[in-house]
Amino acid sequence: GAGVSQSPRYKVAKRGQDVALRCDPISGHVSLFWYQQALGQGPEFLTYFQNEAQLDKSGLPSDRFFAERPEGSVSTLKIQRTQQEDSAVYLCASRGTAGGTDTQYFGPGTRLTVL
Amino acid sequence: AQKVTQAQTEISVVEKEDVTLDCVYETRDTTYYLFWYKQPPSGELVFLIRRNSFDEQNEISGRYSWNFQKSTSSFNFTITASQVVDSAVYFCAPVVILTGGGNKLTFGTGTQLKVEL
Repeated sequence: GAGVSQSPRYKVAKRGQDVALRCDPISGHVSLFWYQQALGQGPEFLTYFQNEAQLDKSGLPSDRFFAERPEGSVSTLKIQRTQQEDSAVYLCASRGTAGGTDTQYFGPGTRLTVL
Repeated sequence: AQKVTQAQTEISVVEKEDVTLDCVYETRDTTYYLFWYKQPPSGELVFLIRRNSFDEQNEISGRYSWNFQKSTSSFNFTITASQVVDSAVYFCAPVVILTGGGNKLTFGTGTQLKVEL
C-alpha cells in the first residue's frame, strides 16, 4: 500500500499569511504525529492524534498553530499569521497502533518558507 | 528528564571503510525503546531499526549492525563496507511517554555521514 503522503511539498508564504499543510497517513493507521524540523536539526514533536482525538499538543510553539484530524484519517496542520521563524520542514508520521512502540512511518515533509 | 546525545556532527569516510555512529541516551527509565532513522538528501526519514533496553544482543542486518551497552547507555550503529548511497543524516530517537497518552519520538541532533569515492 501507499506510504504517508503530504501536500504541498513546498510552500512559500508571505509573513502574516495563513497556511494549511495536509497529511494522508497510511490507510488504517490509528496514530498520527506532526513534527517540525528546522534546518540542520532533528525533528521536534508538535502534536499527536489517536484516531480523531488530539491527545497531546504540547509541542505546538504558539496558539497560531492548530492541527485537526476530524475523521481519524487525513490531518491538517494550520499556521495562522506566519512568521519567519515558522520556516521549517513539517513532517507527518503515522503508526498502525494506538500506543506501544511500533514504528512511525514518515512522509516526505512540507518545506515551508516564510518571506 | 531524558537526554539523547549524538556527539558526532559530521563524519567523512572513503567508500568501503567501516563507520560507527554513536548515540547515548540518558534516562531514569529502566525500560525504553530507541529507533534509528536515516534521512538522505531527498529528506524523507527512513526507518532502520528499533531496539529496546532489555535486549543487549547485537543485531546484524546486511551491512548494518547495532550494539547496545546498557552500562553506558549507548546505542551504536555500524555500517560495514560503506557505500556512497549511505551518505545521509542518521538520527537516533528514543521513545518518550506523553502525559496526555501515547508516546513520541525525541530525536538527537543527527550525524551527517559523507561517503566519498
